[in-house]
Amino acid sequence: AQSVAQPEDQVNVAEGNPLTVKCTYSVSGNPYLFWYVQYPNRGLQFLLKYITGDNLVKGSYGFEAEFNKSQTSFHLKKPSALVSDSALYFCAVRYDGGATNKLIFGTGTLLAVQP
Amino acid sequence: DGGITQSPKYLFRKEGQNVTLSCEQNLNHDAMYWYRQDPGQGLRLIYYSQIVNDFQKGDIAEGYSVSREKKESFPLTVTSAQKNPTAFYLCASSTGGGSYEQYFGPGTRLTVT
Repeated sequence: AQSVAQPEDQVNVAEGNPLTVKCTYSVSGNPYLFWYVQYPNRGLQFLLKYITGDNLVKGSYGFEAEFNKSQTSFHLKKPSALVSDSALYFCAVRYDGGATNKLIFGTGTLLAVQP
Repeated sequence: DGGITQSPKYLFRKEGQNVTLSCEQNLNHDAMYWYRQDPGQGLRLIYYSQIVNDFQKGDIAEGYSVSREKKESFPLTVTSAQKNPTAFYLCASSTGGGSYEQYFGPGTRLTVT
């Protein structure tokens, strides 16, 4: 069965430092992977996706993610964190059991960027 | 939050009452989804619809019902059979085809007392 894991409930980083939010996945076929961000009491905003191609994917707001097939990981990264990046981040994998675009979400990682 | 609207933003109901949450999209997307979000549990799929007049149960459909009479609209009814209805409810849509990502509405926070 497909699954996605975010091993850290919270990540703390100082403003200006690089940040990494971890995600690992388990799928039976080709992985279609996504990152979303959620600000308090708001819906999720799409950041980036990996479908195929280059293992380094660039997305919105300066975020990027690195797909690593051997480690089954899709970590979210940013070279220099901003206080405004503080939010809840979700990794997701597309359900590969058919023609739907159902997504399976991780439990989320709270990113706290200290000034 | 794109072209997806959810109303109301906050909703309060007494236990035993049914309540309907609205979701409308103007993105011309074929597929629509309802999720429930609880602290520490991520998002869980309640129902989804790939096309008008068709929908399927997700992982936690018990106590919920939906309809998809129009492409733009996918209302969710939380019935009195749902044992723990207090949660944040999110609606999403996607194009199908090769895009795969979903776009979310702003959410409705339902409190049942």
